[in-house]
Amino acid sequence: DAGVIQSPRHEVTEMGQEVTLRCKPISGHNSLFWYRQTMMRGLELLIYFNNNVPIDDSGMPEDRFSAKMPNASFSTLKIQPSEPRDSAVYFCASSSTVGANVLTFGAGSRLTVL
Amino acid sequence: EDQVTQSPEALRLQEGESSSLNCSYTVSGLRGLFWYRQDPGKGPEFLFTLYSAGEEKEKERLKATLTKKESFLHITAPKPEDSATYLCAVRSVRSGGSNYKLTFGKGTLLTVNP
Repeated sequence: DAGVIQSPRHEVTEMGQEVTLRCKPISGHNSLFWYRQTMMRGLELLIYFNNNVPIDDSGMPEDRFSAKMPNASFSTLKIQPSEPRDSAVYFCASSSTVGANVLTFGAGSRLTVL
Repeated sequence: EDQVTQSPEALRLQEGESSSLNCSYTVSGLRGLFWYRQDPGKGPEFLFTLYSAGEEKEKERLKATLTKKESFLHITAPKPEDSATYLCAVRSVRSGGSNYKLTFGKGTLLTVNP
């Protein structure tokens, strides 16, 4: 398996622009998570999907952030409009609810908002 | 709210110099303590899960232990390739169903000099 695949790996944009981050989870995994990592706050959970349904979005900072999972093999995290304080590394992770409770992370998308 | 504190923030060792990393946690009811390794520019990679006080897990030069208040990651005779950020995370009874919401510490940056 290729693991969790995220794109783009790097994104530089200007304040006010729309940003879309993409994630392909591991085939067969039914849980998907979006995390954000910054030096100040570490890794923070933004949203959690189970079987393509959003279960908990309490970590989404504000209405500028939205996430979708239209099918079991694809998810997006959108920021509109983007702000400089959104600059961070965004990770997607997936797991299976069968067996060990292990998250497999993607390589991350580094977002810089100027 | 679950809390995880890791110390030290950074640790420099000489090759072969054994040491330990600390993870102190406060949770309502522990449902698992996780250790991850993160290399620069990559997502966290799973190392261990511990479930109950007294439990130990080993992998090559790493050994993780757990008490009711903290976990230690012991590194025996480290090599330069062990250099990475080591993250600790907890899942508690408030997390709900399986694989839901890990709360991460900010990590310990380990550097092993040859």
